Amino acid sequence: EPEVTQTPSHQVTQMGQEVILRCVPISNHLYFYWYRQILGQKVEFLVSFYNNEISEKSEIFDDQFSVERPDGSNFTLKIRSTKLEDSAMYFCASRDNGYGYTFGSGTRLTVV
Amino acid sequence: GQQLNQSPQSMFIQEGEDVSMNCTSSSIFNTWLWYKQEPGEGPVLLIALYKAGELTSNGRLTAQFGITRKDSFLNISASIPSDVGIYFCAGQPNSGNTPLVFGKGTRLSVIA
Repeated sequence: EPEVTQTPSHQVTQMGQEVILRCVPISNHLYFYWYRQILGQKVEFLVSFYNNEISEKSEIFDDQFSVERPDGSNFTLKIRSTKLEDSAMYFCASRDNGYGYTFGSGTRLTVV
Repeated sequence: GQQLNQSPQSMFIQEGEDVSMNCTSSSIFNTWLWYKQEPGEGPVLLIALYKAGELTSNGRLTAQFGITRKDSFLNISASIPSDVGIYFCAGQPNSGNTPLVFGKGTRLSVIA
């Protein structure tokens, strides 16, 4: 079964530091997403990416956030200057032309 | 933004009992998806519903896409301990690349 792979599984960072969360989507998928889940809360949409550009972003996805697909396989989320409230699970997801989103296992980001 | 109201928030049931949970919205959704999330993992797709009125089963799980396109339910029959987890409904408001909107989840606990 094809998987979405995320690294690292857990990252601890100091407030104000930059972090890069990495994802390898399923190889033939075309649409890529980042979602986050604050502990105990629902999964929230951050950004979608298609055809090498952002197609939609939420109000959470402010100027501190950026996404990149630096090569044919990786999809990254960068947070430039982390804040305490950025602590959450970050999930990458990908899908093909259908509706079957596949989620990765997530990166737990802890900002201290 | 569009919201999904998921209930109940949590359930404690005896092994062998049937479970029912639902999601409602004030807006129309084109697709309803049900996910299960276990601790430290990403959401895993259980059932996808694409047409109003559609009733779909996956083993002991049955889900329906409401006729009004504003609601969906998930039933689990004869629950077992491994059914424990958080169940999320998710909807896609429009076709194309519109991102999923998630409900707040139903935390299911099964008592053996």
